[in-house]
Parts: sequence; structure tokens; C-alpha cells
Amino acid sequence: GENVEQHPSTLSVQEGDSAVIKCTYSDSASNYFPWYKQELGKGPQLIIDIRSNVGEKKDQRIAVTLNKTAKHFSLHITETQPEDSAVYFCAASPEGMWTNAGKSTFGDGTTLTVKP
Amino acid sequence: SQTIHQWPATLVQPVGSPLSLECTVEGTSNPNLYWYRQAAGRGLQLLFYSVGIGQISSEVPQNLSASRPQDRQFILSSKKLLLSDSGFYLCGGGRIQAGELFFGEGSRLTVL
Repeated sequence: GENVEQHPSTLSVQEGDSAVIKCTYSDSASNYFPWYKQELGKGPQLIIDIRSNVGEKKDQRIAVTLNKTAKHFSLHITETQPEDSAVYFCAASPEGMWTNAGKSTFGDGTTLTVKP
Repeated sequence: SQTIHQWPATLVQPVGSPLSLECTVEGTSNPNLYWYRQAAGRGLQLLFYSVGIGQISSEVPQNLSASRPQDRQFILSSKKLLLSDSGFYLCGGGRIQAGELFFGEGSRLTVL
């Protein structure tokens, strides 16, 4: 089955700096890669996703890059703000017509702290 | 847009007591529904998923069960809780042909 590794497990940055979180996956059949943000005591929320036919996707201060050959994808947050502090999870799944997105394999999460 | 409601938010139960966590979905029909457990500092472990009413698949053997009595209702249950059942439980929902997954706010269960 799929195995997703996420690094680092904790990340502390100064407000205004950039933050990068990386994930690697093992199953070449995976072609959908979402990123979730989870605030303390709440459920995860999708913040950005990328599909295998795209190498990079950007949404304001958040971007995701995908290298299918190397089987890794990364989350980039620029101009970080204290409200970006949360746990971030990556996931990988073989999306298809009858996709079962909830059976994605999740990374163990990265706790991001943005210091004011 | 799809919204998932999950309750109760917190629950403290004695060992051996029953459990019922409920999840309802708004904004979509015929969703895939999921129950996860999240250990501290870890990712999501899929416990059960359902692709329709009465259809439940279990991913890991455990002391818990799930039911889907209605299209937008998903219930996590136990007849007798164990200490090891303590944790943070999340209900998730997804649409067929779409990869996006929505989550409820979670339920923190403490078994004493």
C-alpha cells in the first residue's frame, strides 16, 4: 500500500518568513495530493491540492509543487502570519472516477509555529 | 458547500459503557463517509468508510462499529468502551468523482 512520509514534524519560523513542508510517497498510482490545515481542537480543512498532471499550483500565499518522478510534493507558505500556526497534513490517493478520497494515506503532520 | 456536523464535541465515559458519536452531512447527497481516529501528533487512521446507506467497510479490527441509517448520517458506536478507545475521532465526507474531503470538528473521547 501507499506510504507517505512528512518532514519536518515541527517547524518554527519568524513572522514574514517562508515555511516549506515536504512529503514523499511510495505508490506511483497516486495522482491526487491534498494538503490540510488543522487548528487546535478542530477538524482538518483542505487548503490546497494538486493533481498529477500539474507541477505547481498557487493560491495567494500558499503554493504546492509536485515532482512525480521523484515522488515528492511540497507545501510552501510565504509571508507567514501568526494565524498560519497550525498542524499541516499532506495526503496521497489514487483519484479516479469512483474515487474514495477518504482512503487517502496521510502524513503524520507538521506543527507550524509562526512567531510574531 | 458541504458541511459536516459532528457531536458530541467532548465525551468522558467509564470503561465498559456504550458509545455513540454522530455525524450528519449537509450540502451534498450520496457522499462517501468516513470515521477516523487521530492520535496525538499523528495523522489520521481510517476506521470505517461507507459508500451508501447500510454499506460499511472496516479498515482495522477494533472494539468499535459504524452504521449508516440514512444517506447523510453516519454513527460510530461501541457496546463496551476500553481505555484504549480514548482519542480524537473525526468524521469525514467526500464526493464521488472529486478528491476533496471535508471534516467535522471532531469528538474528543476520554475513557476512564
